[in-house]
Amino acid sequence: QVQLQGSGPGLVKPLETLSLTCTVSGGSIRGHYWSWIRQPPGKGLEWIAYIYYSGSTNYNPSLKSRVTISIDTSTNRFSLSLSSVTAADTAVYYCARGVGSGYYYMDVWAEGTTVTVS
Amino acid sequence: EIVMTQSPATLSVSPGDEVTLSCRASQGLSLNLAWYQQKPGQTPRLLIYAASTRATGVPARFSGSGFGTEFTLTISSLQAEDFGVYYCQQYNDWSPYTFGQGTKLEVK
Repeated sequence: QVQLQGSGPGLVKPLETLSLTCTVSGGSIRGHYWSWIRQPPGKGLEWIAYIYYSGSTNYNPSLKSRVTISIDTSTNRFSLSLSSVTAADTAVYYCARGVGSGYYYMDVWAEGTTVTVS
Repeated sequence: EIVMTQSPATLSVSPGDEVTLSCRASQGLSLNLAWYQQKPGQTPRLLIYAASTRATGVPARFSGSGFGTEFTLTISSLQAEDFGVYYCQQYNDWSPYTFGQGTKLEVK
């Protein structure tokens, strides 16, 4: 059964770059889409980006200028970088697997990684 | 961007009640709609995909319906473990994927 685990620093200074990694275990990173989603304290969910195992990407237009998503199939990991962070980027960050045929929903989620910008 | 609107924002219910949550999309989604449950301090859990297909391990008391712009999630007999926040999410248009603002089920 596939499991995901996010990791990264819990505290980032304003204007620096937030970097998170998601490790996939119990299954292959190949053949699926992989997403990052975030949730500010007390608020709803916001999808950030996805990457296919082949490397093709798609970003939320509201964050596109600051976000980079990458994948390493040799280590079964994918990563998120968010530059020039502000307090508005304080959130719980989730990584998730996208599955489907042509249209992809997120079926497996990691426990969230709490990131505070301060 | 497709805007997802959930109603009501909060629903006060009792165990054993039948509950219906609504989700409306600003554009047609066909059947590309998912529902997630999130309990306090926990990760969202997929309940329903393709508008009406239960995810693995989801109890039969959860059912989804709808097509296009109007969708519902029904819980036939609410259990104590069902309290939390429910989100709908469209995956018909990936630019960007969008969630509703959530419906909170609370104890009456």
